[in-house]
Amino acid sequence: AQTVTQSQPEMSVQEAETVTLSCTYDTSESDYYLFWYKQPPSRQMILVIRQEAYKQQNATENRFSVNFQKAAKSFSLKISDSQLGDAAMYFCAYRSGKTSGSRLTFGEGTQLTVNP
Amino acid sequence: DAGVIQSPRHEVTEMGQEVTLRCKPISGHDYLFWYRQTMMRGLELLIYFNNNVPIDDSGMPEDRFSAKMPNASFSTLKIQPSEPRDSAVYFCASTPGAERTQYFGPGTRLLVL
Repeated sequence: AQTVTQSQPEMSVQEAETVTLSCTYDTSESDYYLFWYKQPPSRQMILVIRQEAYKQQNATENRFSVNFQKAAKSFSLKISDSQLGDAAMYFCAYRSGKTSGSRLTFGEGTQLTVNP
Repeated sequence: DAGVIQSPRHEVTEMGQEVTLRCKPISGHDYLFWYRQTMMRGLELLIYFNNNVPIDDSGMPEDRFSAKMPNASFSTLKIQPSEPRDSAVYFCASTPGAERTQYFGPGTRLLVL
């Protein structure tokens, strides 16, 4: 079974600075997808970024980028120019590529605080 | 697009009562998922449907939980009878068949007293 581990329960960053959230996963599959979701206090789950395992290029979405190291099974999220609105719980998630619609496996989450 | 719609957003009930949570997936999405989030267990998948058919219900905790999807635009998660340990945030998510990103609804915060 796949597992996802986020070893940082809490992180903090100064506004306008850069922060990196760590995520590692364990799988025997070669085809899979990785995601970062953001959960603000409203509790809604918001997709931040996704990465296809077959792509070597790291995904980027505006201020959010990932460092995908397939061999190391590492998938970290970098937030540049942090903003107060980035404060939230961030979840790393894994999804098998075997069949569309398969379950997401989530990490434990990292609570990010942005200090003004 | 309105996104995934869930109702109610908050539910407070007494132990033993029946609770029904509702979800409307994004139009055109043929997969629907029910997740539960608690402090103790984090986010866990309860059940998911493909084209209205339940595919994997191995995450459903016990017989008190049941889920249905009578048509492509509506699903329910029912708890009968409810217990305090069912208190959690319940999320519904949907995804189109050819795309692998799940889009989540706002969640239903359930409190069972």
